[in-house]
Amino acid sequence: EAGVAQSPRYKIIEKRQSVAFWCNPISGHATLYWYQQILGQGPKLLIQFQNNGVVDDSQLPKDRFSAERLKGVDSTLKIQPAKLEDSAVYLCASSTIKGQGYTFGSGTRLTVV
Amino acid sequence: EDQVTQSPEALRLQEGESSSLNCSYTVSGLRGLFWYRQDPGKGPEFLFTLYSAGEEKEKERLKATLTKKESFLHITAPKPEDSATYLCAVQWGAQKLVFGQGTRLTINP
Repeated sequence: EAGVAQSPRYKIIEKRQSVAFWCNPISGHATLYWYQQILGQGPKLLIQFQNNGVVDDSQLPKDRFSAERLKGVDSTLKIQPAKLEDSAVYLCASSTIKGQGYTFGSGTRLTVV
Repeated sequence: EDQVTQSPEALRLQEGESSSLNCSYTVSGLRGLFWYRQDPGKGPEFLFTLYSAGEEKEKERLKATLTKKESFLHITAPKPEDSATYLCAVQWGAQKLVFGQGTRLTINP
C-alpha cells in the first residue's frame, strides 16, 4: 500500500516570500490533516479536511496560511507571506473517516531566512 | 485545556537497560491513545493505539499500557536501533490527534 506522499522534501525561502506544499493521501482515506512540527516539539494540527470540506481550522493562522483539498484527494497548504517563525516541518497525514489507519507522510522541512 | 505531557524529555540508556516512558493526559472523552516513533528527518511512524484503561499491546521490545490518566511505553532490553523520538498523542472528537512534546531516547551500545 502506497503511503502519504508529500513534496517538496525541503524548501528554503526568504521572509515575506510565499511557498506551497503538496500532499497526496492514502487512497480511500477521506480525512486529511496538516500538522506543523517545530524543532523539539510534537506536531500541532493546523487544518483537518473530511473529503473536500474543512472540519477544523481553529489553529490555522488564516492571515497568512491557506489550504485547499480539491476533489477530496490531493491537498495544498500555502503560506503567504512567510515569517521566520514559520520555520518548521509540515506534516500531512490521512485516515479513514472514523480516524483509523492514521498515517503520516515524511514531511516538508521549511526554513525561512 | 486538554493537555498531553510526556516525560522524561530525554532519556539515555545502555543497550539492554530496560525503562519506561510516560504520557499523561487531561483529555475528557478519550477515543484513543496513540504511540508513534519518529526518526530524524522522517514523519511519525505508527506503533500502537490503545482504546480503554487496562489495555496492553506489544511489538518486539515495546509494550504500551493505558490507565485512565496516563500511558506507559515500556522498552525491554533495548538495542541502539531503538534510538528515536517517541511521541504520544490522544484522539477525541473529530479524529484529530493532540501530541505531547515527545521523549528523545538514545540507546548506547
